[in-house]
Amino acid sequence: KAGVTQTPRYLIKTRGQQVTLSCSPISGHRSVSWYQQTPGQGLQFLFEYFSETQRNKGNFPGRFSGRQFSNSRSEMNVSTLELGDSALYLCASSLLGGNSYEQYFGPGTRLTVT
Amino acid sequence: QQQVKQSPQSLIVQKGGISIINCAYENTAFDYFPWYQQFPGKGPALLIAIRPDVSEKKEGRFTISFNKSAKQFSLHIMDSQPGDSATYFCAASKGNDMRFGAGTRLTVKP
Repeated sequence: KAGVTQTPRYLIKTRGQQVTLSCSPISGHRSVSWYQQTPGQGLQFLFEYFSETQRNKGNFPGRFSGRQFSNSRSEMNVSTLELGDSALYLCASSLLGGNSYEQYFGPGTRLTVT
Repeated sequence: QQQVKQSPQSLIVQKGGISIINCAYENTAFDYFPWYQQFPGKGPALLIAIRPDVSEKKEGRFTISFNKSAKQFSLHIMDSQPGDSATYFCAASKGNDMRFGAGTRLTVKP
């Protein structure tokens, strides 16, 4: 079974621009969560989508948004980029059946804001 | 606020030794405690996980010890190998709400 895929893997943007990142979950997984990983703050939860609905949201400004499509693929968007948004953005998918909340991560998108 | 505290920040172990990483959590509602291993340039990979109804889980050289009353859990890596050198994250979750520790950078010297 193919793992979680994220595109693009690397991205360089300028302050003020916006960016869209894509995540394709493991086949059959309906939950997709997004995380921001930085050396200083570690892994921070952005939001989680399940069946096209945002179910949970972390403590990030409204510039960070996401959506999920009917095939469970998800996108996250960051508008008006700031230097501090430079990070590795990870998505994780989960089956969410029964008691299974095991999350499987993709390789991440490395975003650099200059 | 930090709900999962992980220590140490970094750890150096000789090949063949035991690596021990500790985590403490605050929210007693957490009911799933996974450990993730992350190599540079890769996403975290699920290593082993435990639920609070057991005190220990072992998979190969990796063991989770869980102390519900103390709200603590730890990862033990037996016979540590240079290939185990990576960053390890503990996490605690309730449903889809997962919180991560800050990570431990493990270096296993040959």
